[in-house]
Amino acid sequence: DTGVSQNPRHKITKRGQNVTFRCDPISEHNRLYWYRQTLGQGPEFLTYFQNEAQLEKSRLLSDRFSAERPKGSFSTLEIQRTEQGDSAMYLCASSLAGDRRFFGPGTRLTVL
Amino acid sequence: KNEVEQSPQNLTAQEGEFITINCSYSVGISALHWLQQHPGGGIVSLFMLSSGKKKHGRLIATINIQEKHSSLHITASHPRDSAVYICAVRSSRGYGGSQGNLIFGKGTKLSVKP
Repeated sequence: DTGVSQNPRHKITKRGQNVTFRCDPISEHNRLYWYRQTLGQGPEFLTYFQNEAQLEKSRLLSDRFSAERPKGSFSTLEIQRTEQGDSAMYLCASSLAGDRRFFGPGTRLTVL
Repeated sequence: KNEVEQSPQNLTAQEGEFITINCSYSVGISALHWLQQHPGGGIVSLFMLSSGKKKHGRLIATINIQEKHSSLHITASHPRDSAVYICAVRSSRGYGGSQGNLIFGKGTKLSVKP
């Protein structure tokens, strides 16, 4: 247990539905990151927050994806109108600036 | 060609062997991470380094900035070391100047047999 938690751990949804994932970082960490990992591949960067500010968004993050970190603590990642290609493991990590990242266990999304 | 390349892709070793995993990258970086991912997805950060060498227990990570190369060594390997080891770099030229992005290699799958 790294201290970063994610909920739910698994999500099965039908194509076209909206889903929301939550990440609770280590409390003193000001940086929070979202990544996506498909089977057999390394993780891919999606977006990154410093406190409540979203500082970077990957080109992978289409208009259907939105992330928030409203009070600089927990973060949510929402996917609207899910597609089968969204099926992946969604990973969250947190860190202090300039320090190594602590990863959560991930949320595995399956879109039917 | 990927910006971060790891070798080998798969590695099988006998318990007790000395193991080396290599990572080469093609971009300018401000830091390099070595991560360990166990079956089921959990990722553990092993090292973050920007120069020289770091050691933690049986694990040693080295980086050569000029050659754009890093190695992860495991001494006296054990079956519990079996995992996927991932190299990731933080580009020194992030989007819009920010440095949140990590570029990941595809990982090296290590299996240590008893």
